[in-house]
Amino acid sequence: ILNVEQSPQSLHVQEGDSTNFTCSFPSSNFYALHWYRWETAKSPEALFVMTLNGDEKKKGRISATLNTKEGYSYLYIKGSQPEDSATYLCAFHPNAGNNRKLIWGLGTSLAVNP
Amino acid sequence: EAGVAQSPRYKIIEKRQSVAFWCNPISGHATLYWYQQILGQGPKLLIQFQNNGVVDDSQLPKDRFSAERLKGVDSTLKIQPAKLEDSAVYLCASSLVTGRTYEQYFGPGTRLTVT
Repeated sequence: ILNVEQSPQSLHVQEGDSTNFTCSFPSSNFYALHWYRWETAKSPEALFVMTLNGDEKKKGRISATLNTKEGYSYLYIKGSQPEDSATYLCAFHPNAGNNRKLIWGLGTSLAVNP
Repeated sequence: EAGVAQSPRYKIIEKRQSVAFWCNPISGHATLYWYQQILGQGPKLLIQFQNNGVVDDSQLPKDRFSAERLKGVDSTLKIQPAKLEDSAVYLCASSLVTGRTYEQYFGPGTRLTVT
């Protein structure tokens, strides 16, 4: 059974704090790792799709790293703002045939207090 | 580029009633997904279409859920009859067939409450 775990489950930080969360996934049959941000009442939005071991991606104040050998990815937010409040989901994309169904974590719910 | 459209955004029904959700994917996206997201859980894939064919419906409760994508464009998901445990957000997503990363683009979802 393929399992994707995210930690922490929820996080409360003050505006200006930097924070990070973890996504753990199977280290075998890796194809890609996706990060999504889901704000309440909005569509989940793709942040990053990571495919190579050692990959680092950045979008504004948000960045992510990938370690496929040990099966984890970190998402970092520098100088958190209230608009960063959302659920951050990661999804593991196994290399299994043409379907490559995403396997989702439960998400990390981030609340940034002004 | 227009995003994935879904309707309705919210729906409240009583158990044993029927409900249908509609999704229009991004133009040109051959793959369409329906997810169920129950509060506190990650999205669960219900069904995946490639054009108008079903690729994966292994987690679709077929005794009460059905979905179709007759012309390979928009899609409907139906629940008949609904149960209390069907209360969830139903997300539709689409992706290009080509491209290495299969990034999925999501609609705003339909929040279903079954009472």
